[in-house]
Amino acid sequence: DSGVTQTPKHLITATGQRVTLRCSPRSGDLSVYWYQQSLDQGLQFLIQYYNGEERAKGNILERFSAQQFPDLHSELNLSSLELGDSALYFCASSPNPGSTEAFFGQGTRLTVV
Amino acid sequence: GQQLNQSPQSMFIQEGEDVSMNCTSSSIFNTWLWYKQDPGEGPVLLIALYKAGELTSNGRLTAQFGITRKDSFLNISASIPSDVGIYFCAGQRGYGGSQGNLIFGKGTKLSVKP
Repeated sequence: DSGVTQTPKHLITATGQRVTLRCSPRSGDLSVYWYQQSLDQGLQFLIQYYNGEERAKGNILERFSAQQFPDLHSELNLSSLELGDSALYFCASSPNPGSTEAFFGQGTRLTVV
Repeated sequence: GQQLNQSPQSMFIQEGEDVSMNCTSSSIFNTWLWYKQDPGEGPVLLIALYKAGELTSNGRLTAQFGITRKDSFLNISASIPSDVGIYFCAGQRGYGGSQGNLIFGKGTKLSVKP
């Protein structure tokens, strides 16, 4: 158990809908990362937050957004969902933004039908 | 997005065999990491490398940070059935900001020989 908690584990929704994925980082970790894992693209970095502030952006679509709350949990919002958004979404956390040793949650499997 | 070239894509192992895989890039990385992912789980960090030429072991696993800083290797000695899974390399170009985020290879899938 990495200590990173993601909910829900599975999500099935229709195209055009909006969903929210939730992540609780390890106790004491201030930095949260979101990754998307698909069969053809592998693990792709989406966005990073540190202590409530956006720190870095990767290949995140404009339809996606995220935030980190004062209690350090983070949410990833995916809207106007398309079939191609079906993937595993992972959250990872680390103590600080420069830390290389990020710990991953078990992921949320999103299926868009 | 940018990815690392990881090979082989897949391999079959027989218990007791040694396994080797590698990761290459056209860019220099300051840190190399190796993760293992089991079905239904998130990636778990196996080894972290911080210095060019560094050789680090974790039990039967040994990884090396290439001298050119553009590659890394992972070896598993005397493989056992629980070594099955997908192994990912990841590189970090710098520290902090977008430089601090990990770029992943596409993985090497280890399976048991039928």
